[in-house]
Amino acid sequence: GAGVSQSPSNKVTEKGKDVELRCDPISGHTALYWYRQSLGQGLEFLIYFQGNSAPDKSGLPSDRFSAERTGGSVSTLTIQRTQQEDSAVYLCASSLGRLADGELFFGEGSRLTVL
Amino acid sequence: DQQVKQNSPSLSVQEGRISILNCDYTNSMFDYFLWYKKYPAEGPTFLISISSIKDKNEDGRFTVFLNKSAKHLSLHIVPSQPGDSAVYFCAASAWGAQKLVFGQGTRLTINP
Repeated sequence: GAGVSQSPSNKVTEKGKDVELRCDPISGHTALYWYRQSLGQGLEFLIYFQGNSAPDKSGLPSDRFSAERTGGSVSTLTIQRTQQEDSAVYLCASSLGRLADGELFFGEGSRLTVL
Repeated sequence: DQQVKQNSPSLSVQEGRISILNCDYTNSMFDYFLWYKKYPAEGPTFLISISSIKDKNEDGRFTVFLNKSAKHLSLHIVPSQPGDSAVYFCAASAWGAQKLVFGQGTRLTINP
């Protein structure tokens, strides 16, 4: 597609349930990022993929969070046993390569609400 | 530990005047700085960037200034237009880090 595509756009879940968020990056972009924005906060880095490997997953808040990327393309962010503090907009971004060579292109985000 | 700070959560400016958005950082390893603009229900979009070897970069109505000694950068928009109303995020990265650290954002409102 022309841009970064994320699904679902909105997800409401009950505390304790697992959720999966999907990101389809721009075709040919080797780097993929997950960020989240909690209410009133800035964008918080979660994880960075280069191809299928994740050289930097330092931002994942707990072991309930995991992410994978397959085929150098689609990525899935999984949150297990969701908590209310997980409520946020989860943003995916992709880029051609090194940050200095180009900016990040963001999707519209997946808004997660944990009741 | 907030490495990138935007101390003004909101800013209101008259149409046609200059908007100045400020950003401070604490990590001296940061060498690449960017501004992103975000409309409601959309992802952030890249606006302008500057590397640490420069102190100014201009693109049309948008100019970013970098003061490395003060660890401060600013975005100037002149003249401001109603379509500039959005949340602006400052971001920074360190060489080789391959990730952006974002500030909290400043909501800019341009009044007609």
